[in-house]
Amino acid sequence: ETGVTQTPRHLVMGMTNKKSLKCEQHLGHNAMYWYKQSAKKPLELMFVYSLEERVENNSVPSRFSPECPNSSHLFLHLHTLQPEDSALYLCASSQGRVSSLNTEAFFGQGTRLTVV
Amino acid sequence: AQKVTQAQTEISVVEKEDVTLDCVYETRDTTYYLFWYKQPPSGELVFLIRRNSFDEQNEISGRYSWNFQKSTSSFNFTITASQVVDSAVYFCALKKSSGDKLTFGTGTRLAVRP
Repeated sequence: ETGVTQTPRHLVMGMTNKKSLKCEQHLGHNAMYWYKQSAKKPLELMFVYSLEERVENNSVPSRFSPECPNSSHLFLHLHTLQPEDSALYLCASSQGRVSSLNTEAFFGQGTRLTVV
Repeated sequence: AQKVTQAQTEISVVEKEDVTLDCVYETRDTTYYLFWYKQPPSGELVFLIRRNSFDEQNEISGRYSWNFQKSTSSFNFTITASQVVDSAVYFCALKKSSGDKLTFGTGTRLAVRP
């Protein structure tokens, strides 16, 4: 089991559905991140949470809604997505924010999302 | 604006060959950080190295070595005596001195054949 666990590993959803991606970290970290990895495009940082507060939102559409109920869990709530939102969504965590550069981010295996 | 270019989309080598993955970056910052990550088929990104812009000393870790050249804005990664387990997508990334955002390249898919 990796330190960062994402469920589900695969998700197919319709454009009118509402679903949630879950991330759990078992490393005692206090910062968590959502990244989007689209085919043939660089990884894009979506959200940063530090001590359960959202500290960064990189112009992500409102159809993506993150939630961090505690330092171990991070959710990404999805609603009315578009086919172009199909991608691998990666969660990561770190002890302290990556901006401090005293730490690295540890990534989960991702959720492969397909929007039909 | 920052940008990372990994011009090699895919590389295929035979086991035991040496292979170099190229990374060229653009930034206006004088202080920045460069990273390499490995993404095996299982999907997670595995941190390999972090290097700050003031440290141009090359680094070697086992079969891995990194060549940072500020003059050409490159941070190339060499795997010596490649193995099948090295097969993965490798990402180069750049970070400003402040903030959490890593700017990633599009990755290089390395296939090592037995």
